[in-house]
Amino acid sequence: GENVGLHLPTLSVQEGDNSIINCAYSNSASDYFIWYKQESGKGPQFIIDIRSNMDKRQGQRVTVLLNKTVKHLSLQIAATQPGDSAVYFCADSALYSTLTFGKGTMLLVSP
Amino acid sequence: KAGVTQTPRYLIKTRGQQVTLSCSPISGHRSVSWYQQTPGQGLQFLFEYFSETQRNKGNFPGRFSGRQFSNSRSEMNVSTLELGDSALYLCASSLDGFNQPQHFGDGTRLSIL
Repeated sequence: GENVGLHLPTLSVQEGDNSIINCAYSNSASDYFIWYKQESGKGPQFIIDIRSNMDKRQGQRVTVLLNKTVKHLSLQIAATQPGDSAVYFCADSALYSTLTFGKGTMLLVSP
Repeated sequence: KAGVTQTPRYLIKTRGQQVTLSCSPISGHRSVSWYQQTPGQGLQFLFEYFSETQRNKGNFPGRFSGRQFSNSRSEMNVSTLELGDSALYLCASSLDGFNQPQHFGDGTRLSIL
């Protein structure tokens, strides 16, 4: 499959732990933020998104936090499972501009 | 609802050849974007098509081109292939742009010999 994990920061956790993946963005005009999960051999899969008028949004086992002051985004995964092992990307866009992707973080979950 | 479909999944070409990749978006999605993914550069935006028109373009040479058909299906073409074009090429579709979730296909893995 596609090796997207070369040279990526890696987060290793135990099954059942909570995971926090961080992301910094640079465009202060960005108003839409999104997290993707990419497993080996597959395309990025949408996890959760948030707009700039919010600072927190929750999904199933996932929470995204947005701090516009320091241009920081985080993804929290509750009760991490081995199936959560993948590369996670954040991306942001401003009005009329394209999505800019971060370099990604590899999450490794040990049973 | 069927997801984004990309064909072929794998392709091997030699330097100097050209290649055409195909993408069928999710039904009802009018925006189709293409990305190049490599271990060193990550995900880089190539271009976006909307209603058969190129609406946005990334910083790639003119050897990379694309088009969109009236049914929103899209193709991208790379001419005069170089070794550095080896990558995973991903297509993503959304209803109408970048301020909403883009849904990706599983990509075409292009290897240049």
